[in-house]
Amino acid sequence: AQSVAQPEDQVNVAEGNPLTVKCTYSVSGNPYLFWYVQYPNRGLQFLLKYITGDNLVKGSYGFEAEFNKSQTSFHLKKPSALVSDSALYFCAVRDIRAGGTSYGKLTFGQGTILTVHP
Amino acid sequence: KAGVTQTPRYLIKTRGQQVTLSCSPISGHRSVSWYQQTPGQGLQFLFEYFSETQRNKGNFPGRFSGRQFSNSRSEMNVSTLELGDSALYLCASSLGGLKNTEAFFGQGTRLTVV
Repeated sequence: AQSVAQPEDQVNVAEGNPLTVKCTYSVSGNPYLFWYVQYPNRGLQFLLKYITGDNLVKGSYGFEAEFNKSQTSFHLKKPSALVSDSALYFCAVRDIRAGGTSYGKLTFGQGTILTVHP
Repeated sequence: KAGVTQTPRYLIKTRGQQVTLSCSPISGHRSVSWYQQTPGQGLQFLFEYFSETQRNKGNFPGRFSGRQFSNSRSEMNVSTLELGDSALYLCASSLGGLKNTEAFFGQGTRLTVV
């Protein structure tokens, strides 16, 4: 079974400071990892993904994430936070070795509320 | 390129009724997945359809069902609604391969059961 943990329910940072939103995962095979952002009363917007290759992946709106296989982590980062980054962030995983049982299925963490203060 | 479209955006139903939600995927996408989002349970996978066939199913009761049409549009149905079915229902579309790319989500249908 696959699972995702986002250990922080809330993260607060000041505008202009770097931000990190943490994510750890558990899969039986190799993971495909994703970050999504959700604004109030909206769907999820894709930020970035890790499939294979470089451990540091870059995504939309200046976000990046670092894949660490030994620590089974995929933390979301941004060098300089903006007030407009305030939202709910979800980490998700798909176990690509699960075969047909993983089709279409993303397993999400519980989400982290990011608040960026002016 | 149009995104994923879900209709209606908001819905209020009474306990015991049934409801049908609709999802139109991104053009060219053949996979449609459905998720339920609630404050208590977070995002939970309902089911996934590809080329009109259900390929995967989450742990929801049989009251939750879906289907996909030949144009890849999908509907999900919930029968005998319960108060606990109140949630944001999200639809996501993707190309559909196992090693496919990311899923793109619609804005959701907010279902309130009273």
